[in-house]
Amino acid sequence: QQQVKQSPQSLIVQKGGISIINCAYENTAFDYFPWYQQFPGKGPALLIAIRPDVSEKKEGRFTISFNKSAKQFSLHIMDSQPGDSATYFCAAGGTSGSRLTFGEGTQLTVNP
Amino acid sequence: NAGVMQNPRHLVRRRGQEARLRCSPMKGHSHVYWYRQLPEEGLKFMVYLQKENIIDESGMPKERFSAEFPKEGPSILRIQQVVRGDSAAYFCASSPADNRGYTFGSGTRLTVV
Repeated sequence: QQQVKQSPQSLIVQKGGISIINCAYENTAFDYFPWYQQFPGKGPALLIAIRPDVSEKKEGRFTISFNKSAKQFSLHIMDSQPGDSATYFCAAGGTSGSRLTFGEGTQLTVNP
Repeated sequence: NAGVMQNPRHLVRRRGQEARLRCSPMKGHSHVYWYRQLPEEGLKFMVYLQKENIIDESGMPKERFSAEFPKEGPSILRIQQVVRGDSAAYFCASSPADNRGYTFGSGTRLTVV
């Protein structure tokens, strides 16, 4: 019940295209859904986060879409750039504490 | 602001030795979290600490692993009698309060040979 399932495992997009990564969760107690970006040899960096009282949040080229009834959320990267090539992790946190449950990650490659 | 500082960046230990990983949180942050990342996998929660207190250690293996965050100095993750399966990247994160919006360090990559 604590799992967060992320897909796809890897994604290749052309420069200027839209990258879409999906996550699904089971635990309805989760109330915080962040996305992290990780470059090789670095720690994860917070990109954008959403709470379940809104269905969409946009920050620059990054948008989270949230579907509470389906228990799914997704990250859209508009106008993808080669510099966006990294591993992306979704995560979910609950009200019972500060731990986050992470998805398995998506390795994004944006070709020039 | 130097961010979350972890050291060493790389650590090689022989089976049976002890590994000590250190984490200095961001200035003003009093909450520290440790996560483990195995190759090609996501991050797994290990432990959440505040100064001198372990708040949640539900992700810590029951044996050989311990963590502390003393009143003075960095947080320490200690692994006794390391085995090959302990080889992983260990990430520390800190936050100013119990708000999940925390900052990760660059990690310590432990290799057990």
